[in-house]
Amino acid sequence: DADVTQTPRNRITKTGKRIMLECSQTKGHDRMYWYRQDPGLGLRLIYYSFDVKDINKGEISDGYSVSRQAQAKFSLSLESAIPNQTALYFCATSGTGGKLFFGSGTQLSVL
Amino acid sequence: GIQVEQSPPDLILQEGANSTLRCNFSDSVNNLQWFHQNPWGQLINLFYIPSGTKQNGRLSATTVATERYSLLYISSSQTTDSGVYFCAVTWNRDDKIIFGKGTRLHILP
Repeated sequence: DADVTQTPRNRITKTGKRIMLECSQTKGHDRMYWYRQDPGLGLRLIYYSFDVKDINKGEISDGYSVSRQAQAKFSLSLESAIPNQTALYFCATSGTGGKLFFGSGTQLSVL
Repeated sequence: GIQVEQSPPDLILQEGANSTLRCNFSDSVNNLQWFHQNPWGQLINLFYIPSGTKQNGRLSATTVATERYSLLYISSSQTTDSGVYFCAVTWNRDDKIIFGKGTRLHILP
């Protein structure tokens, strides 16, 4: 089993719908991150969390929210999806040293 | 915020060639990592290298934190080296991990 699991792997939704992407990890890490990848723009940080009670905005948090339900679970929500949120979304974890481990990604398409 | 710039943005090489990828950053960092994204989208951590030089087979990396850059060397390229290479830095102000835009490498057989 993968250490960092993202669900779903692919999702197609319509403009205005609420959608949640989920991430769980078995590495025992305290730190979890959500990134989005767009062609030519690299990975941009949406939100990050250093423990269950700590949530921080990243570079591009507008239009997104997160929930850290447990040490092992960190979910990303789009309250009202719009087409320019179509992207590949990655969850990652790290220990305090910061070495990142990524999930397989979720390809989201907003029509 | 901190800026992370990678060069070149694209690189096409023949199999067997050597290459050097560069990552410049605009502020002090606690750590630096290099990743390879393969054609299937998987992100693999190649090096965790806040300073100094590390080697792993045909790949090596050097980070000079005082001069705010890191280099990734790929020797004797193989077609399986194709993909996008990212560097990511941990900004020492708030421990955010910020990525560069990547270098797309294409190795021709």
